[in-house]
Amino acid sequence: GAVVSQHPSWVICKSGTSVKIECRSLDFQATTMFWYRQFPKQSLMLMATSNEGSKATYEQGVEKDKFLINHASLTLSTLTVTSAHPEDSSFYICSARGAGGIGELFFGEGSRLTVL
Amino acid sequence: AQSVTQLGSHVSVSEGALVLLRCNYSSSVPPYLFWYVQYPNQGLQLLLKYTTGATLVKGINGFEAEFKKSETSFHLTKPSAHMSDAAEYFCAVSEGAGNQFYFGTGTSLTVIP
Repeated sequence: GAVVSQHPSWVICKSGTSVKIECRSLDFQATTMFWYRQFPKQSLMLMATSNEGSKATYEQGVEKDKFLINHASLTLSTLTVTSAHPEDSSFYICSARGAGGIGELFFGEGSRLTVL
Repeated sequence: AQSVTQLGSHVSVSEGALVLLRCNYSSSVPPYLFWYVQYPNQGLQLLLKYTTGATLVKGINGFEAEFKKSETSFHLTKPSAHMSDAAEYFCAVSEGAGNQFYFGTGTSLTVIP
């Protein structure tokens, strides 16, 4: 199957700083990527849909100025958590839709953010 | 509108016993159905998928699922549980290629030695 890689896997930052998480499709081009947030023992919450070359589409209740998404190329989307606070601590997962076929989702390994 | 219901947020089975994880969906069109597995602090890995054709789908690690349209179900089974099967399992539905995925709330599987 296709490979999606996230970096970093773990990040700890101070409150008020910004953190960037990268999501790369390693062996295929992804025109669409998705960013999810997952709280402990819960399902995935879709935050936004990232489209290459255009603005991301955010789900209701997700602050677009807080969670900046950039999808500058067909293999890279980034999520920047700006002015992070402890309540932003979470597990963030990206996924990319495979080209052609049934467009199934391939997931990154996830990035755990801890804001002190 | 689509939705996915996973009955039982926690399932415990003995090693070697049958694994049955339930998933029911609602969809206005023939759905695409998926099961994903998530190990601690990792992303999701595709176990199996149903799009069209044979309703009994076989996936990785000995898992299989059967699409039953009349019951709007896509339950996941494995004849004999292994310790390494302990993980979180998510059922997902999509209304076709390129459409949004909807995930269930997940079922945590514990395997007792």
